[in-house]
Amino acid sequence: DVKVTQSSRYLVKRTGEKVFLECVQDMDHENMFWYRQDPGLGLRLIYFSYDVKMKEKGDIPEGYSVSREKKERFSLILESASTNQTSMYLCASSSRNTQYFGPGTRLTVL
Amino acid sequence: GNSVTQMEGPVTLSEEAFLTINCTYTATGYPSLFWYVQYPGEGLQLLLKATKADDKGSNKGFEATYRKETTSFHLEKGSVQVSDSAVYFCALGTSSGGSYIPTFGRGTSLIVHP
Repeated sequence: DVKVTQSSRYLVKRTGEKVFLECVQDMDHENMFWYRQDPGLGLRLIYFSYDVKMKEKGDIPEGYSVSREKKERFSLILESASTNQTSMYLCASSSRNTQYFGPGTRLTVL
Repeated sequence: GNSVTQMEGPVTLSEEAFLTINCTYTATGYPSLFWYVQYPGEGLQLLLKATKADDKGSNKGFEATYRKETTSFHLEKGSVQVSDSAVYFCALGTSSGGSYIPTFGRGTSLIVHP
């Protein structure tokens, strides 16, 4: 069974902290994605990666960076967390045109 | 650019009622179309998909038909259950430079009462 895991389900951080969100997939997929999900706004793409060490900006990359050192792992980094980054963060990987999502990390920045 | 518009929720129904959630899209080329479902506290999971015009996707009693002439992909179920309460996302997918980038609608919340 396909699996995408995220390092934390819930996370509470303080303004200005550096935050790492980790995502691992076990399906040998080339493409991986980070989204944030907010009420009324649906899913918004932050970054995606189509290969190791490759990354592309999505619709809302400001305030975020990513790292993909290994095929199975895609990390989202908040260099200096702010309260407007409080959100649900979803990771996904894709095979052909179907996406597989992790359970999400609910991040609260105080 | 690509876009997906789906009806705003919440949609509130009684158990065994008929469900329709409307979805229309704008896209260049020939996209694939999807419905994803998100149950409370979980990530999204694929519900069904259709890859070309007139295809019908189906799963768990849900159906949707790819209508190119009306650029629509409406989700239907003949008799909903309380366990169908979730948020439903319509999405389209196109290839760009060898990568597949999906576009999601904003989601429609479905609440089913016993």
